Amino acid sequence: SQELEQSPQSLIVQEGKNLTINCTSSKTLYGLYWYKQKYGEGLIFLMMLQKGGEEKSHEKITAKLDEKKQQSSLHITASQPSHAGIYLCGAEGSARQLTFGSGTQLTVLP
Amino acid sequence: SQTIHQWPATLVQPVGSPLSLECTVEGTSNPNLYWYRQAAGRGLQLLFYSVGIGQISSEVPQNLSASRPQDRQFILSSKKLLLSDSGFYLCAWKGQLNTEAFFGQGTRLTVV
Repeated sequence: SQELEQSPQSLIVQEGKNLTINCTSSKTLYGLYWYKQKYGEGLIFLMMLQKGGEEKSHEKITAKLDEKKQQSSLHITASQPSHAGIYLCGAEGSARQLTFGSGTQLTVLP
Repeated sequence: SQTIHQWPATLVQPVGSPLSLECTVEGTSNPNLYWYRQAAGRGLQLLFYSVGIGQISSEVPQNLSASRPQDRQFILSSKKLLLSDSGFYLCAWKGQLNTEAFFGQGTRLTVV
């Protein structure tokens, strides 16, 4: 099955700083999802990337999928306390299983 | 519009007791359904998924089982809970390939 590795595992940044979270797959990605989760709640969909080299942005969050489609990055510009939470990358396998990475816990200090 | 319901929100159960968590989806047909478990502050572990009624795939052998008695109903069960079954359980549904998945609000299970 597809394995997704996220780095870093946790991140503490000062408000206003930029940050990047990485997601690396053991297999070629045919669709890569980014979600955000507040502690103890469900997941909120951020973005989905399909094509090699694709880049999408929503407010201050930008996600990219590399040309080889085995790595994705999520970049937050000028972080705010509202960005705090757990960020998860996910991918769908050939049997329709939807697996996720180990997550990155982001803390933004005011 | 589509909605997903998961209950209960919290549950405290003694070791050895049975478990039944239910998840239902409204506003769509033939969804793919998923059960996940999440350790505190960590990623999601896929437990079971289903692409149709009566079709269950297990990702991790354990003390749990899943059933899909109706198209939009997904149930997670255990005959005898273990302490290690404690965690945050999430249900999700998904439509066609390369569309987003929608998650329930989760159930926090504490086995005592």
